[in-house]
Amino acid sequence: DAGVTQSPTHLIKTRGQQVTLRCSPKSGHDTVSWYQQALGQGPQFIFQYYEEEERQRGNFPDRFSGHQFPNYSSELNVNALLLGDSALYLCASSGGQGGRELFFGEGSRLTVL
Amino acid sequence: GESVGLHLPTLSVQEGDNSIINCAYSNSASDYFIWYKQESGKGPQFIIDIRSNMDKRQGQRVTVLLNKTVKHLSLQIAATQPGDSAVYFCAEGRSARQLTFGSGTQLTVLP
Repeated sequence: DAGVTQSPTHLIKTRGQQVTLRCSPKSGHDTVSWYQQALGQGPQFIFQYYEEEERQRGNFPDRFSGHQFPNYSSELNVNALLLGDSALYLCASSGGQGGRELFFGEGSRLTVL
Repeated sequence: GESVGLHLPTLSVQEGDNSIINCAYSNSASDYFIWYKQESGKGPQFIIDIRSNMDKRQGQRVTVLLNKTVKHLSLQIAATQPGDSAVYFCAEGRSARQLTFGSGTQLTVLP
């Protein structure tokens, strides 16, 4: 049973560019959350998707947007990249019989130069 | 603003000893508290959770204690093993849907 899978694992962008990160939730899960984890810090909640709609959002600008597809997979898009967007982006899934427990993927490491 | 913080950024323990990792939280409306373990290069891994209507919960080798009076959360690891070396995060929220994480404690298990 595959857990949460994310791609790409690493990527490098330059300031002003746009990036798309992808996430497939754990089998049986229907809710996907995205977190940003800066080096040496705890993860920060970006937003959560359920039934293809954004349900909750943290304190992140509109440059951060997302999407959930009918198969429950999700994308995180970041526009007009800033140096401060360099971080590990974590996807977490929940739902189904797993209840409230969040299962995290290994993350996508974004470096903005 | 609301925040979750940890008392100590690093903790070193001898293999076989018990470990205690502490966490303070400030949002009295939080109903749900979780401990995560994050190994280098990996995503956070769920350890144990506790609801606000409880003050203690036990798992396999781990115990979480919640003191709502002083807004304090702790994780106790019994008979700490080398594989327990990692960064430990506490997280809190009104539900599991939106969690606020602390900055983490690096646990190092010494041989």
